[in-house]
Amino acid sequence: EIVLTQSPGTLSLSPGERATLSCRASQSVTSSYLAWYQQKPGQAPSLLIYAASSRATGIPDRFSGGGSGTDFTLTISRLEAEDFAVYYCQQFGSSPYTFGQGTKLEIK
Amino acid sequence: QVQLVESGGGVVQPGRSLRLSCVVSGFTFSNYGMHWVRQAPGKGLEWVAVIWYDGSNKYYGDSVRGRFTISRDDSKNTLYLQVNSLRAEDTAIYYCARAGISGTAIIDYWGQGTLVTVSS
Repeated sequence: EIVLTQSPGTLSLSPGERATLSCRASQSVTSSYLAWYQQKPGQAPSLLIYAASSRATGIPDRFSGGGSGTDFTLTISRLEAEDFAVYYCQQFGSSPYTFGQGTKLEIK
Repeated sequence: QVQLVESGGGVVQPGRSLRLSCVVSGFTFSNYGMHWVRQAPGKGLEWVAVIWYDGSNKYYGDSVRGRFTISRDDSKNTLYLQVNSLRAEDTAIYYCARAGISGTAIIDYWGQGTLVTVSS
């Protein structure tokens, strides 16, 4: 099983700042099979990034993804109020299709 | 528009069974693989199971393998999850989700979930 470790667990930032979230895999993941999701309280998750760096439909360009192999990042260039949420990475390279434990992005 | 609507959750005693359903609309169901993902109260996401678009392959998470069964009925645009031998740790919101990114199993749409509570 591929274990995904996200860091930090909680990130406290102010609107307008840059956020960098990390997702590290216990073994190499093909970039095509790495996704990021955003989840707001009381809502289902929604797709942000797929194939490590491709934005899903309707996702603003302040969200970007990168990385390869075992290290992946999600960057939000200038935080807006609606970006404060929990973010998860997930790998689809091999079953079970594991999630990271999540990073909570909170307002400082 | 793509819609996924789960049902079948509720309060159930430990050891009992339940069948969850997910009715989809807005896309050709038979062309897509489908997942179940769950989230215990206040916890993170846990992937549960996937079924290929044609039903030819099914995979499960370690904690549910042997107790849960994923299936689909394309004539009814419905995805199912049969959950047996329920335990307290199975208490969660269960989401169905579409594997919609071409050539991958990546989830692109989620339902709103159905809550399963296992309690005596």
